Amino acid sequence: DTGVSQNPRHKITKRGQNVTFRCDPISEHNRLYWYRQTLGQGPEFLTYFQNEAQLEKSRLLSDRFSAERPKGSFSTLEIQRTEQGDSAMYLCASGLGGNEQFFGPGTRLTVL
Amino acid sequence: SQQGEEDPQALSIQEGENATMNCSYKTSINNLQWYRQNSGRGLVHLILIRSNEREKHSGRLRVTLDTSKKSSSLLITASRAADTASYFCATDNAGNMLTFGGGTRLMVKP
Repeated sequence: DTGVSQNPRHKITKRGQNVTFRCDPISEHNRLYWYRQTLGQGPEFLTYFQNEAQLEKSRLLSDRFSAERPKGSFSTLEIQRTEQGDSAMYLCASGLGGNEQFFGPGTRLTVL
Repeated sequence: SQQGEEDPQALSIQEGENATMNCSYKTSINNLQWYRQNSGRGLVHLILIRSNEREKHSGRLRVTLDTSKKSSSLLITASRAADTASYFCATDNAGNMLTFGGGTRLMVKP
C-alpha cells in the first residue's frame, strides 16, 4: 500500500455513459498525476496538477476527458460518453515533483 | 507516446539466477526510474537514478545509466519467485510527468 487510494477499483459501464473516478493522494504531496494503461503496455500520461492548478492537460485523450482537483487534495477524472476504446486501467499517482511518484492501485474501466 | 523501450519484452529464469533488463530512451532526462507492477495492480517504485549518476544500488537491485547512449539497465541478483512481475523504466525530463516504456515481463520459476 503506497498511501494513494483510488475508487472505485472496478467500473463496468455501457457505451455512452459518463463515469467519474476519484483519487486520494498522499496528503503531503503537492503534485497529482493521472495515467492510463492498456493491456500489455506501459502507463501513458494524461494530466497533472500542482496543488489545485492543472498545469498540463494537452495529453488528455479527447475533450471527453476532464480532471479536477478542487481544493488541492483529492482529484476526479471524468470520461463523458464512454466508448469501448476507453476500456483501460486508470492510474493516479502523487509526488513532490522531480522525484519518485507513488501510484494508487488503479481503477479498471470496462465499457460494454 | 512511449519514450523508453525495454529489452527483452519477456524474460524467464530460474530462482537464484540474475535478471538483467535494459531500457533505451530518446530525449534528455532529469532522472530515470524503474517501477515494478504485479499483474493487474498499481506500480511500485523501485529506484531512481539522476542524470548525473552512473550507478545506484538498492538491496538486490543495481541500476546503471549511460546518458551518452541514452540507456539504462536494471539487474536483479539472486532472483526469487516473488520477483515475478512486469518491470518498467520511466523517464522524467522536467519533473512534470513520467514517460514509460512497454515493460519487461519477468517470470522467475521456483
